[in-house]
Amino acid sequence: AQKVTQAQTEISVVEKEDVTLDCVYETRDTTYYLFWYKQPPSGELVFLIRRNSFDEQNEISGRYSWNFQKSTSSFNFTITASQVVDSAVYFCALRALIQGAQKLVFGQGTRLTINP
Amino acid sequence: GAVVSQHPSRVICKSGTSVKIECRSLDFQATTMFWYRQFPKQSLMLMATSNEGSKATYEQGVEKDKFLINHASLTLSTLTVTSAHPEDSSFYICSARNLRGTMNTEAFFGQGTRLTVV
Repeated sequence: AQKVTQAQTEISVVEKEDVTLDCVYETRDTTYYLFWYKQPPSGELVFLIRRNSFDEQNEISGRYSWNFQKSTSSFNFTITASQVVDSAVYFCALRALIQGAQKLVFGQGTRLTINP
Repeated sequence: GAVVSQHPSRVICKSGTSVKIECRSLDFQATTMFWYRQFPKQSLMLMATSNEGSKATYEQGVEKDKFLINHASLTLSTLTVTSAHPEDSSFYICSARNLRGTMNTEAFFGQGTRLTVV
């Protein structure tokens, strides 16, 4: 089965704290892609990162960093020195071959609240 | 990044009427478009996949006669909610990809449409 699990439903931290959002995935595919999206209150999905299954190198982009571990099927997302503007729902997603078509499977999302 | 425009952003309609939602790719050719539905505080659920010029492929449990999808051009797909009922109230969001050439392109999402049926 193709599945994405974000065990943390809601996280609330105080501004400037570091926070890690967990993502665990399941897939039978050897080639797949993992994504993180941010959904602010306005509703649109903002693309944050794409990682393919052959690239386990961790990535850092400003205050954001991602840790991809194939051994544990995890693709965790860390925000360093969090800011109020980081408050949003964050979705981890897996793109894999499902019934002959490439489809995105989303986790349940983690609602992140950064308090001033 | 590429831009996908979805219109309207909000719509309120009376029960029994039909509503059309448009999804346009503004700066690239979208060979494939996806329509998702999102209930409050829940994840995105894929409703259907449409390829330009062909019939949409619906996910299990999605009524194709209620949710009509048209993808007549490489820049426009429409979702029509026919004979809408209050239980159709939801957030609908589209995404678009160009699957010609390289396969490893991400999907770009529209801004979403919040449908309220009264």
